[in-house]
Amino acid sequence: SQTIHQWPATLVQPVGSPLSLECTVEGTSNPNLYWYRQAAGRGLQLLFYSVGIGQISSEVPQNLSASRPQDRQFILSSKKLLLSDSGFYLCAWSRSRTYEQYFGPGTRLTVT
Amino acid sequence: AQKVTQAQTEISVVEKEDVTLDCVYETRDTTYYLFWYKQPPSGELVFLIRRNSFDEQNEISGRYSWNFQKSTSSFNFTITASQVVDSAVYFCALSEAYSGAGSYQLTFGKGTKLSVIP
Repeated sequence: SQTIHQWPATLVQPVGSPLSLECTVEGTSNPNLYWYRQAAGRGLQLLFYSVGIGQISSEVPQNLSASRPQDRQFILSSKKLLLSDSGFYLCAWSRSRTYEQYFGPGTRLTVT
Repeated sequence: AQKVTQAQTEISVVEKEDVTLDCVYETRDTTYYLFWYKQPPSGELVFLIRRNSFDEQNEISGRYSWNFQKSTSSFNFTITASQVVDSAVYFCALSEAYSGAGSYQLTFGKGTKLSVIP
C-alpha cells in the first residue's frame, strides 16, 4: 500500500528565515506530486505540482519554490519567510492518469 | 475557468439527524471529475469519492450517499444518521479531464464545517 509522509509536523519560524518542508511517498513509482497551502479558515490553494523528477509547475507566484530531487521526494522551500506564509501545508500524490489525490498529514507553519 | 461553490460555511446537527452538504460547480469541459474529501480536526484530508461526468448514478456507501445532477451542476453529499465522528470540514473538488501537463489539478470549494452534537 502507499503512504505519504511529511515533516516536520509543526514549525515556528521567524520572518526572514529559510524554510524547507519535505514530503516523501512510499509504495508507488512516478507519482504526480502536489503542494497545497491552507490558510486559517480558508480553502486549499495549489502551490506547485510535479509530474516527474526535476519537473515543477508553479500555480501562484510568490517567494516559495519547490524541487523534486528524487522520484518520490518533493521539497517546498523559501529563502526568506513572510508573515503571510503562515498556514497549513499539505503534500499530495496521485498516480499518473488517474485523478484522486491522496494527502499527507500536513505541516503547520507559523511565521512570527 | 473551473469553480466550486460550497455555500454552507458551517452546519450543526444533533447526532442521528441526516445532513446534506451542497456543492455546485462550474466548468466548460464536457469531461470532468468531482470529488469529496473529509478533513477531521487532525488536518489530513481523506478521500471519500470520485465521480466522473458521464456517470450520473447516485452512490451509496454505508451512511454516506452522493447525488450528482448535471442539469443543476450539483454534487451533493448526504450523511444519514450522523455521528459525532462525522464532525469535520468537508471539501468538494473538481478536476477537468485534461490539463495539458499530464497532471490533474483539483479545484476545491472553501469547505463546509460540520459539527455533530451528541
